[in-house]
Amino acid sequence: AQSVTQLDSHVSVSEGTPVLLRCNYSSSYSPSLFWYVQHPNKGLQLLLKYTSAATLVKGINGFEAEFKKSETSFHLTKPSAHMSDAAEYFCVVSDLDTGGFKTIFGAGTRLFVKA
Amino acid sequence: DADVTQTPRNRITKTGKRIMLECSQTKGHDRMYWYRQDPGLGLRLIYYSFDVKDINKGEISDGYSVSRQAQAKFSLSLESAIPNQTALYFCATSAITSGRPNTGELFFGEGSRLTVL
Repeated sequence: AQSVTQLDSHVSVSEGTPVLLRCNYSSSYSPSLFWYVQHPNKGLQLLLKYTSAATLVKGINGFEAEFKKSETSFHLTKPSAHMSDAAEYFCVVSDLDTGGFKTIFGAGTRLFVKA
Repeated sequence: DADVTQTPRNRITKTGKRIMLECSQTKGHDRMYWYRQDPGLGLRLIYYSFDVKDINKGEISDGYSVSRQAQAKFSLSLESAIPNQTALYFCATSAITSGRPNTGELFFGEGSRLTVL
């Protein structure tokens, strides 16, 4: 069965410093992986996705993630945090499971950005 | 105007009451979903529909029902609300993609916050 683990429930960075949000997954097939962002009182918005093409995926707002099969990881990074990046981030895995394809959301990582 | 619209955005109700959350979309997508968000648990799938005649249970469908009235409308009902159904509910849509299933982007509404007293 597939699963996804976001290793930090909260991450705090200073504006202008790098961001690293960690995600590990478990999958028995060949997963598709996504990162979504949720700003307060808003729905989720897709940041980027990996679907078996290039392992380094670039997304919106300067974010990128690298699919590492050997480490079963899909960590989200950004070189320089901006105040507007403060939000909750969800790692999502979609894969073939018993009963068909399933999409599983991680528990979320809340990013705080200090001035 | 939002592509995926949920109503109401906020609702407070009492135990035992019937509640309906509505979702409409202008994206022209065939696939629609209802998710529930609880702190520390991410989003969990309640029901999904791949077209008007197709309704499927998700991982936490007990206590909920849905109706796909049209391609653009998908409503979620709580027949007899209970306090542990207090949560933030999201409607989402996706397009059918070529190639592998479930590789498409989900488009979310802004959520309906339900409080059951």
